[in-house]
Amino acid sequence: EDQVTQSPEALRLQEGESSSLNCSYTVSGLRGLFWYRQDPGKGPEFLFTLYSAGEEKEKERLKATLTKKESFLHITAPKPEDSATYLCAVYGNTGKLIFGQGTTLQVKP
Amino acid sequence: EPEVTQTPSHQVTQMGQEVILRCVPISNHLYFYWYRQILGQKVEFLVSFYNNEISEKSEIFDDQFSVERPDGSNFTLKIRSTKLEDSAMYFCASSQLATAADTQYFGPGTRLTVL
Repeated sequence: EDQVTQSPEALRLQEGESSSLNCSYTVSGLRGLFWYRQDPGKGPEFLFTLYSAGEEKEKERLKATLTKKESFLHITAPKPEDSATYLCAVYGNTGKLIFGQGTTLQVKP
Repeated sequence: EPEVTQTPSHQVTQMGQEVILRCVPISNHLYFYWYRQILGQKVEFLVSFYNNEISEKSEIFDDQFSVERPDGSNFTLKIRSTKLEDSAMYFCASSQLATAADTQYFGPGTRLTVL
């Protein structure tokens, strides 16, 4: 059974304090790993897709990396507007996108 | 920028009533999906739909659920006889390509409250 575990569940940072969010996964035939951002009461907003181990993607203060067992979302010098829940999801041979519980990030000014 | 839209944003219904949640996927997308998120829990896959057929469905998607693409733009989720435990946010998503692992773009959701 495909499974995604994200850690930590919650993370509080000071503005400018860099950190990383972890996504560990088990999947039958990884076809893609996705990162989304979700604001309260809203739908997931697409950030990155990673397809193979060693791949990296960057967007503004965010950088996503992928290994055979986990993915990291690195946040460099975060700002208060980066506060949100970050979701990791995997797509494998089941043909279903499976989400983790998410990491809720709070960035204080 | 094209986006997935959903109506209504909030639906309140009585237990046992039928509800229809509506979605307009991004116009050139070929795959459509429904997900649900119970408050405080994970986003859960319900069903995927391609070429007017269900491609995959989860164990949650039982006989009380159905999906339809009634015209060229809308995609609907029907819940025949709502239960209290159906209260959740329901998200529609769409992806462009008919190949696995294409990025899915999500709508803003419909909050369903069953009383």
